[in-house]
Amino acid sequence: EVQLVESGGGLVQPGGSLRLSCAASGFTFSGYWMNWVRQAPGKGLEWVANIKQDGSEKYYVDSVKGRFTISRDNAKNSLYLQMNSLRAEDTAVYYCARGWVVPATIPIDYWGQGTLVTVSS
Amino acid sequence: DIQMTQSPSTLSASVGDRVTITCRASQSISSWLAWYQQKPGKAPTLLIYKASSLQSGVPSRFSGSGSGTEFTLTISSLQPDDFATYYCQQYTNLWTFGQGTKVEIK
Repeated sequence: EVQLVESGGGLVQPGGSLRLSCAASGFTFSGYWMNWVRQAPGKGLEWVANIKQDGSEKYYVDSVKGRFTISRDNAKNSLYLQMNSLRAEDTAVYYCARGWVVPATIPIDYWGQGTLVTVSS
Repeated sequence: DIQMTQSPSTLSASVGDRVTITCRASQSISSWLAWYQQKPGKAPTLLIYKASSLQSGVPSRFSGSGSGTEFTLTISSLQPDDFATYYCQQYTNLWTFGQGTKVEIK
């Protein structure tokens, strides 16, 4: 069974940093692109970033470029999101989501349950 | 950036109704479109990918159509479990979601 378990969320002050983690199990983690998607309270979904199987390609939504860094450790079956210079508008539930094996197939087929990040003073 | 616009934002319907949700892209995305269902407090689940391909395990009452800039998600006979929010997503140039369509009980 595919499982994605996020951790690392919490309350942080504006300008602060936080590192999210996602522990993957039940599939060959190194074989898939991985994604972070967020959802502000009461709002819609926003794709944040994704990373290729070997970490050689990374893409970001414009609003987080230069502030967030996606990374992975295939030996630990783990995905990460380092978030710096956090703003109030980054407040959201952050989901880890399994992507495709080959681009332009199924974009996201499994999601974690999410971890809440609150940016407030 | 490619913008995705869904309509309507909210839809009131009854069990057994045929429901259609529209998603429009700001530029052509060929067939690189997915549909997700989300229930309150839960993660989304994939319904449709590549505009019209049904994800494994999804009931056949769900169907998708369209290409280019206009797409539809149709639920042929609405069931009690289908009251939820639905999102479209383009995956041709980075990724963007529509703003969502909430299907509520009439």
